[in-house]
Amino acid sequence: EVQLQESGPGLVKPSQSLSLTCSVTGYSITSNYWGWIRKFPGNKMEWMGYISYSGSTSYNPSLKSRISITRDTSKNQFFLQLNSVTTEDTATYYCASVVLWVLFDYWGQGVMVTVSS
Amino acid sequence: QITLTQQAESLWVSPGEKVSITCRASQSLLYTDGKHYLSWYQQRPGQTTKALIYHASIRTDGVPTRFIGSGSGTEFTLSIEDVQPEDIALYYCLQTLKKPYTFGAGTKLELK
Repeated sequence: EVQLQESGPGLVKPSQSLSLTCSVTGYSITSNYWGWIRKFPGNKMEWMGYISYSGSTSYNPSLKSRISITRDTSKNQFFLQLNSVTTEDTATYYCASVVLWVLFDYWGQGVMVTVSS
Repeated sequence: QITLTQQAESLWVSPGEKVSITCRASQSLLYTDGKHYLSWYQQRPGQTTKALIYHASIRTDGVPTRFIGSGSGTEFTLSIEDVQPEDIALYYCLQTLKKPYTFGAGTKLELK
């Protein structure tokens, strides 16, 4: 079974970069699509973007040029970097496997990130 | 972008009852292949988010048959028949017809 686990700092200062890792077991990230979703306080959910089996990416335009999703196939991990964070980026961040255009079928537990000075 | 509206923020239910959670889209989620690009998810505290339904009505592997997805066009429903205590959770709909993919605001199922 596919398992995903997010990791990264729980506290980031405003204007800095948020960097998270998603470690995948049970499936190779060189197959399928792999995405990031976040849940804000108050429960609003936002799709952030995904990276494909070939390394191509697709991002939510709302995040403009702040977001980057990359991967390390040797470690079976993919990464989220969000630049110039503000308090509005405080959220729980989830990674998930993506059946393109259909659903997010497996999710990690989520990691809470607070943006605060 | 497509907006999904889950009108009910919370629904209260007793074990054994049936409950319906609705999700309304700002435009049709029907694609030319005849499929609706709407899925449902369950979030329980301490558990990973679970995908329940895709293409509006197809249950994912292992999802109990008491979870029923229905609807078409812009109106969709997740029904839970014979609600069990473990069904108390937060439920979201998600559209994947057009990017950016968008979620409904979520409906929290609570025990009476």
